[in-house]
Amino acid sequence: DAKTTQPPSMDCAEGRAANLPCNHSTISGNEYVYWYRQIHSQGPQYIIHGLKNNETNEMASLIITEDRKSSTLILPHATLRDTAVYYCIVRTAYNQGGKLIFGQGTELSVKP
Amino acid sequence: DTAVSQTPKYLVTQMGNDKSIKCEQNLGHDTMYWYKQDSKKFLKIMFSYNNKELIINETVPNRFSPKSPDKAHLNLHINSLELGDSAVYFCASSPPSNVGRADTQYFGPGTRLTVL
Repeated sequence: DAKTTQPPSMDCAEGRAANLPCNHSTISGNEYVYWYRQIHSQGPQYIIHGLKNNETNEMASLIITEDRKSSTLILPHATLRDTAVYYCIVRTAYNQGGKLIFGQGTELSVKP
Repeated sequence: DTAVSQTPKYLVTQMGNDKSIKCEQNLGHDTMYWYKQDSKKFLKIMFSYNNKELIINETVPNRFSPKSPDKAHLNLHINSLELGDSAVYFCASSPPSNVGRADTQYFGPGTRLTVL
């Protein structure tokens, strides 16, 4: 599975959009981009994933560049409860029993 | 509530002891995992089981022995505990591939193990 690079930390004002970048320049054609987050002292939580088209769900939007070498997770209206470590993971989908390789992630602090 | 649950939430024990952590999911999933998060917060896969069969054993010492009595349970037994085993252990599960989203993993709340 391809490696990812994320900034170690970011701040965001409450109510504003949080844009979290991820570089995955060695991604291969059958690999998806996944985002998970871990709120302090809790288990990781799935947010969203995509292959090449932009995706949106009730939690966030995922924008993937045309060359697929980078992506951005967007939390449209960040709240204090969105303070967490966000992990960008690249892997093949439908890999039954396949592992998630977590990097250091981005520690997002949402401030009032 | 439908979820992945783990017991106990906290476990404090002496070096050399043997302990078990239990994991149960009532989501109807057929793949389950154990991850370890160390003091530096790195999350790393230890094992995965699909339909009670071992899929991944990520070079974990053989003091760690997962046991899956059925698809809904994956327990972790640790023999001869060492100081370096202190960590938070997370159980996770994912749905069958024919359901779709087989790649999405749902995590339990974690078990904080402290070895003294």
